[in-house]
Amino acid sequence: TQLLEQSPQFLSIQEGENLTVYCNSSSVFSSLQWYRQEPGEGPVLLVTVVTGGEVKKLKRLTFQFGDARKDSSLHITAAQPGDTGLYLCAGATTGYGKLTFGQGTILTVHP
Amino acid sequence: DAGVIQSPRHEVTEMGQEVTLRCKPISGHNSLFWYRQTMMRGLELLIYFNNNVPIDDSGMPEDRFSAKMPNASFSTLKIQPSEPRDSAVYFCASSPTGAGEQYFGPGTRLTVT
Repeated sequence: TQLLEQSPQFLSIQEGENLTVYCNSSSVFSSLQWYRQEPGEGPVLLVTVVTGGEVKKLKRLTFQFGDARKDSSLHITAAQPGDTGLYLCAGATTGYGKLTFGQGTILTVHP
Repeated sequence: DAGVIQSPRHEVTEMGQEVTLRCKPISGHNSLFWYRQTMMRGLELLIYFNNNVPIDDSGMPEDRFSAKMPNASFSTLKIQPSEPRDSAVYFCASSPTGAGEQYFGPGTRLTVT
């Protein structure tokens, strides 16, 4: 059974602070996705990383895939209240696109 | 382009009743996934299809749950009979390739009383 351990589970910070969310596994993934989910909605895909060591930036969000493709991180610079939500990492292995999801990180950014 | 469409958005039913959740995937996507999300268990994969064929239903909790995909543009998840512990948000997601990117619908919030 493949597991993705996500940490921290909860994060409560002030506007303007930086934060990092981690996603770790003992399994190798062919790709890893990060999703953001707001209350009452479905998860929305933020980014896909495929290559070991890959770094992708999306405005204030920086995503990194570990060299061994077993772990990933999401770093947010100067967090804003609009960043509040549930962040999920998910790893893919099979050719059909089945994903293994982490438990999620609930981020609250206070104004 | 329209995203994944799910109906109904909310369903309240009494224990023992049959519940049918519906999903229309994004046109051209060849994989479809059904998930259940609760606070306690997070996001759980129930079943997924590739080219309308069920590939893995090991996540379906009991025989009370069944899913079909009669064509590339429609899938259903049925619970019969429903129980209070089935209360959750059910998501449908579709994927265009085997690369893992999935696009989720808005979900159906099911409450079984």
